Amino acid sequence: DVVLTQSPLFLPVTLGQPASISCRSSQGLVYSDGKTHLNWFHQRPGQSPRHLISEVSNRDSGVPDRISGSGSGTDFTLKISRVEAEDVGVYYCMQGSHWPWTFGQGTKVEIK
Amino acid sequence: EVQLVESGGGLVQPGGSLRLSCAASGFTLSSYDMSWVRQAPGKGLEWVSYISGSTGATWYADAVKGRFTISRDSAKNSLYLQMNSLRDEDTAVFYCARGYFSVWGQGTTVTVSS
Repeated sequence: DVVLTQSPLFLPVTLGQPASISCRSSQGLVYSDGKTHLNWFHQRPGQSPRHLISEVSNRDSGVPDRISGSGSGTDFTLKISRVEAEDVGVYYCMQGSHWPWTFGQGTKVEIK
Repeated sequence: EVQLVESGGGLVQPGGSLRLSCAASGFTLSSYDMSWVRQAPGKGLEWVSYISGSTGATWYADAVKGRFTISRDSAKNSLYLQMNSLRDEDTAVFYCARGYFSVWGQGTTVTVSS
């Protein structure tokens, strides 16, 4: 199975400052359709997860442009350019290129 | 409004069975790929199962293969997860999600305990 390793697992951030989460895959994530099915999700306490980004860098409708995804091969990054209070919670990467689909362990973002 | 509502969770003894339901509204469920994802208490997300909207092909996580079965009913616009031979480690909130996880339900809680 593909193992996704996120770092850091805990990220204290200052409001207005940038934040970055890494997601490293145990193997390449290019699917047979030529696309890299690496997704990012955000889950606030007590809520269902929300899909943020698909195919490494495609933001879902309604996701603010201060949130961005990048990467290729086995290294991927989620960046928040200026952290706001609503950004707290846990962020997960997930790969949909190889069965079984797998999630990273999650990165908990809190305000300092 | 596009919505998914899960139901069917509860307390069950080890070795028992449960069937989870996910009722869709605002869209035709059988036209979309659908998935089940679970989250054990205080833990991260775990993908459980998938059914293709176009072919009906199904896939399962290794941890549930042979015990869980995903299915759908077009007439009821609903998705199901039949869970047999339940184990303590299956205790979790189970979510259904549409497509490539663009829409999620609120989750239903399954507790496996004697």
